[in-house]
This record gives sequence, C-alpha cells and structure tokens, in this order.
Amino acid sequence: AQRVTQPEKLLSVFKGAPVELKCNYSYSGSPELFWYVQYSRQRLQLLLRHISRESIKGFTADLNKGETSFHLKKPFAQEEDSAMYYCALRYQAGTALIFGKGTTLSVSS
Amino acid sequence: DTGVSQNPRHKITKRGQNVTFRCDPISEHNRLYWYRQTLGQGPEFLTYFQNEAQLEKSRLLSDRFSAERPKGSFSTLEIQRTEQGDSAMYLCASSAIGGNEQFFGPGTRLTVL
Repeated sequence: AQRVTQPEKLLSVFKGAPVELKCNYSYSGSPELFWYVQYSRQRLQLLLRHISRESIKGFTADLNKGETSFHLKKPFAQEEDSAMYYCALRYQAGTALIFGKGTTLSVSS
Repeated sequence: DTGVSQNPRHKITKRGQNVTFRCDPISEHNRLYWYRQTLGQGPEFLTYFQNEAQLEKSRLLSDRFSAERPKGSFSTLEIQRTEQGDSAMYLCASSAIGGNEQFFGPGTRLTVL
C-alpha cells in the first residue's frame, strides 16, 4: 500500500538556519511527489512538485528513488516560513493524494 | 470565482443527526475531491469525481456517507446518523483534467456532540 511518512511532528529553527523537512514514501511504482503548505488561518496550497524541479520561496526538494525520499530543504529559514508542511504522493495523474501527517515548522528570531 | 468554496464553514450537530456539506469547485475544473482531516493527521482521501461520475471511493467512506456531483458542478457530501468519530475537518479540492495541482477549499469543520 502507498504510504507517506513524515517522521518529525515539529521542527524548530532560528531565522537564517538551514531547514530540512523529511519525507519518505512507500510505493512500488513511480509516484508523483508534492509538498503542500498551510500557513496560519489559510487553506492548504501547493508548494512544490517533483516533476517541475523548481524552487519556490527558496525551497527545493529532490526525489531520491533509491532512498524513497523527497525531503524539503531551504538554506536560510525566514520567520514567514513558519507553517504546517505536508508531503503527498499520487500514483498517477488525476488520482487522489496520499498525505503524510505533516510537520510544523517554527522559525523564530 | 477566486477559488474553491465550501459551506458551511462550521457545523455543530448532535449524534444521530444528518448533515450535508457543499463544495463549489473552481469553474471548469472537471475533477473534485473530498478529504477528511482529523487532529494531528494529514488529509485522508474519501472520494473523487470526474464531472458527474464518482470514480473512486475510499474504504473510509462508510455506507453512512454519500457524495454527489449533479451536472458536474458543485458537490455535496452527506453524513447520515452522525457519530462522534465523524468530527473532523472536511476538505474539498478541485483540479483540471491533466492539471497537476489540486486547489483546496477552506474546509468545513464538523463537531458531533
């Protein structure tokens, strides 16, 4: 069965420190991986998808098929990055997303 | 139309009552998804539609749950004989066919007393 694991419930860092939010998945095929973010009092929104290989708000994520991971990274955290981050997988276009439990990122000055 | 909308935003009901939620997707989005999110968990898939056809249902969707999307526009999710375990945030999302991104609504928070 497909599963997404985010091992950290909470990650607290200081402003300017590097950030890495971990995500591991289990799926036998070639899934599509996403990171969604939810800022305080806002709706869930897409941050990154692995197929586009882009950097959004300074965040990047690389799909490592050997380690079945899709960790989210940012070299210098900002206070406005504080939010809940969800890693998600889908097995083909158009199907439902399978989410991890989420990691709360707290960036303090 | 600036995004997915859901009504009501909050619903408090007594155990055993029926409730119905509505989701209005982004115009021209063919796919519509329902998810449920409980405290400390990520969203869990319930069901999804392509136009008016319900293509997939999760095993989470017990027979007390029913979803419709008449005419392929808005969708409703009904829960009959609510139980305290149904208390959760119910999220709706929509996407275009071939689109990679699902756009989420603000959710309906259900509290069953």
